[in-house]
Amino acid sequence: GNSVTQMEGPVTLSEEAFLTINCTYTATGYPSLFWYVQYPGEGLQLLLKATKADDKGSNKGFEATYRKETTSFHLEKGSVQVSDSAVYFCALNIGSQGNLIFGKGTKLSVKP
Amino acid sequence: ETGVTQTPRHLVMGMTNKKSLKCEQHLGHNAMYWYKQSAKKPLELMFVYNFKEQTENNSVPSRFSPECPNSSHLFLHLHTLQPEDSALYLCASSQEAEKLTGELFFGEGSRLTVL
Repeated sequence: GNSVTQMEGPVTLSEEAFLTINCTYTATGYPSLFWYVQYPGEGLQLLLKATKADDKGSNKGFEATYRKETTSFHLEKGSVQVSDSAVYFCALNIGSQGNLIFGKGTKLSVKP
Repeated sequence: ETGVTQTPRHLVMGMTNKKSLKCEQHLGHNAMYWYKQSAKKPLELMFVYNFKEQTENNSVPSRFSPECPNSSHLFLHLHTLQPEDSALYLCASSQEAEKLTGELFFGEGSRLTVL
């Protein structure tokens, strides 16, 4: 079946540290891949996406590259800020009636 | 007006109560969704409506009853819930369900506690 596995949190970093949140997937077909972010007290919002192998999604200093050979879509940021503290969700879509399949989420806390 | 608005933001109910969650989107979208977010579990898709027609019911118990009177409004009617139904219920919308590019627009959620 289709599934997403992302690293367990919480992840605690100091400001300006490098961030990696791992995400791997299992899917039939050729999924599109996404990262969503949920800030405290808010709903999820799309952070970035990639629709085919080797595509790189980027937004707000975050990047993720669609790696078909390793079935991965790791999220990275070179220098995190306190305002990046949130829960990050990796997700995939195989185009089936809007059914995005989400990972469990990784909570990131950035300390000043 | 924010894109997707959910009310109430917090709800406490007993197992014999009947209550409803409301979602309204101001984005001109044609597809609306209910997701359940529980601690330490992935988001679970519950229902999908595309052009007011239900296109997905992800094996949700009948104590949850959705209603979509038009493309802008979505309700989740709750009846005889169990304590394990306590969770954050998220509403989302997108342009269309069949052509989903992945960008769902979420509301802030309704935090439900069942006593």
